Amino acid sequence: DAKTTQPTSMDCAEGRAANLPCNHSTISGNEYVYWYRQIHSQGPQYIIHGLKNNETNEMASLIITEDRKSSTLILPHATLRDTAVYYCIVSSYSGGGADGLTFGKGTHLIIQP
Amino acid sequence: GAVVSQHPSWVICKSGTSVKIECRSLDFQATTMFWYRQFPKQSLMLMATSNEGSKATYEQGVEKDKFLINHASLTLSTLTVTSAHPEDSSFYICSARDRGQGNTEAFFGQGTRLTVV
Repeated sequence: DAKTTQPTSMDCAEGRAANLPCNHSTISGNEYVYWYRQIHSQGPQYIIHGLKNNETNEMASLIITEDRKSSTLILPHATLRDTAVYYCIVSSYSGGGADGLTFGKGTHLIIQP
Repeated sequence: GAVVSQHPSWVICKSGTSVKIECRSLDFQATTMFWYRQFPKQSLMLMATSNEGSKATYEQGVEKDKFLINHASLTLSTLTVTSAHPEDSSFYICSARDRGQGNTEAFFGQGTRLTVV
C-alpha cells in the first residue's frame, strides 16, 4: 500500500471548518483513500473514502486532487467531540476487504472552544 | 454503519495466565476479521488476519503460538493471549468488513485494554 504523510497535529476553532491534508504521492490507480479517526481509548471510526471523485457524507467531505497525489478531509462545522487522531490510509479494493489497513501516525486534531 | 463488538472492554490478568478476547460482527457476516495492537502513544499495528474456517495469517514478528486466533463462524473471532506477560499489556482492537456489501470500509470494535500484572 502507498505511504501517506500527514501533519502531526492541528488546531481548529469550534464551529469552523477543519481541513486535514494528506499526501499520498505514490498512490496506485486501484488504491482508495480512506479516512478514519480515533478518539482517545476507543477503536477507530470510519469517516469516508474515495477513489478519484470528491465524496461527501453526513460526517465529512473528501477532496481528492486531480492527480490523486493528495487529499483533504473537511469537517464542515467542527465540534469539541471531533477532537481525535485522524488517519489517512491508502489501500486497494482488495486491501480494504482481504488485507488489513496500515495505519500511520495520523493527525491529532484539537478543537478549541 | 455496521457494528463490531469486542468483549471484554478491559481486563487485568496475572502474569502467566491466558486471556481470551472476543470480536463479534453484530449485524453482518465477516469472512475476514483483523486483529490490531496499539501501545500507548503509538499507532495501530496489524497483528493478524483471521479467516473464517481456516488458519489465521500472522504479520511478521507476531508469535502465532502466543496469540491464538479462532474464527469459527462468520460473526465471531477470538484472540487468546497465552501465558501473558507484562509486555503484552496493550490495547487490542479487532475490525471486520461486511462480506455482503460492495463497499470496502472496515468497521472496528471498541477495543480491549489488557493489563498484565
